[in-house]
Amino acid sequence: DAKTTQPTSMDCAEGRAANLPCNHSTISGNEYVYWYRQIHSQGPQYIIHGLKNNETNEMASLIITEDRKSSTLILPHATLRDTAVYYCIVRAGPGGKLIFGQGTELSVKP
Amino acid sequence: DTGVSQDPRHKITKRGQNVTFRCDPISEHNRLYWYRQTLGQGPEFLTYFQNEAQLEKSRLLSDRFSAERPKGSFSTLEIQRTEQGDSAMYLCASSWGLGETQYFGPGTRLLVL
Repeated sequence: DAKTTQPTSMDCAEGRAANLPCNHSTISGNEYVYWYRQIHSQGPQYIIHGLKNNETNEMASLIITEDRKSSTLILPHATLRDTAVYYCIVRAGPGGKLIFGQGTELSVKP
Repeated sequence: DTGVSQDPRHKITKRGQNVTFRCDPISEHNRLYWYRQTLGQGPEFLTYFQNEAQLEKSRLLSDRFSAERPKGSFSTLEIQRTEQGDSAMYLCASSWGLGETQYFGPGTRLLVL
């Protein structure tokens, strides 16, 4: 199963873009990159996922490098409510279970 | 459309007691997953069902743990003879088919005294 590496914590000023990096150097060709976030004491919330191409939705953008060994989640205008732990996950195996790492604790500050 | 629901949201029990948690997935989602999350860690996979069939179990799922999904809709997770090490958040997620996005419930927080 592919593993991911993320910084333990990051700060971001309110209203600025938050760029959260993730390394997944052992990813296989058919494995998707997923991003979830978890606000304190709640269940993980799906944000976005991608395979090769960059993706954008109403919450965020996902930039995947051409060699697929790393990706960046971009929150274009961070708000205080975006303070959470962000998990970068490579979905593994035929059953589709998600293997979570430690995640990045993002603190958005006023 | 309601999301994944879990009941109870909180459970306090004494060591040695049995506990049972319930998960109701999003309607018509045929895959259901259970995860466990201890303080400061990311969620860890426990088991998953496709319809009523339990297709994979993690080695984290000791013989004191049993999960069922009898009619392919809701699922229950039972822990027998609870231990203090079982204290954690138990999360349920569901998806439609393989490869589809998993949506999580709010979790059941278990505290074993």
